[in-house]
Amino acid sequence: QKEVEQNSGPLSVPEGAIASLNCTYSDRVSQSFFWYRQYSGKSPELIMSIYSNGDKEDGRFTAQLNKASQYVSLLIRDSQPSDSATYLCAAGGTSYGKLTFGQGTILTVHP
Amino acid sequence: DGGITQSPKYLFRKEGQNVTLSCEQNLNHDAMYWYRQDPGQGLRLIYYSQIVNDFQKGDIAEGYSVSREKKESFPLTVTSAQKNPTAFYLCASSFRTGQASTEAFFGQGTRLTVV
Repeated sequence: QKEVEQNSGPLSVPEGAIASLNCTYSDRVSQSFFWYRQYSGKSPELIMSIYSNGDKEDGRFTAQLNKASQYVSLLIRDSQPSDSATYLCAAGGTSYGKLTFGQGTILTVHP
Repeated sequence: DGGITQSPKYLFRKEGQNVTLSCEQNLNHDAMYWYRQDPGQGLRLIYYSQIVNDFQKGDIAEGYSVSREKKESFPLTVTSAQKNPTAFYLCASSFRTGQASTEAFFGQGTRLTVV
């Protein structure tokens, strides 16, 4: 079983719509969760971090964490073509300093 | 500007050759990491270091070696024992705060190809 699993994608949404990206994790003691955006051929860029249950909003991005369900999500409102990228979910586990990444979800926003 | 610098951006390795990838950071981060990314896949942890002169194996350490002689530097050597080294290598760093992992920031990556 993968430790961090993301919805398989690819995900295609029209410009202006809400894109919903999902992630589940298997290690119940994970305490920190991150969403990275990675454009083709580039390195990952941190866009959201979340440590507590509930929602965290930053501009058009909202991260949601439900530790009881071991579920993390990222909502992108008013999606733009520039949001087209691979989104990586990562969880900080019990091994101090170690992040475990999901396989990524490819998002395409079409005009 | 603060950041993480990886070099070179592209690297070609001949069969049986060892190569070293450089990673330097000026963010005053304690922890540094090396990840490998293969096409269409997520990131897999090779090695990580929390403090100078100490490092731990990640999930795929075989065929790789590292050193951490300075806080700012964490070079990765890909040895001839690594049978399939062609990949995108990413270095990252973060602060240490208690037990929870903190935000990690990445360098621009090194694309290694075996020729």
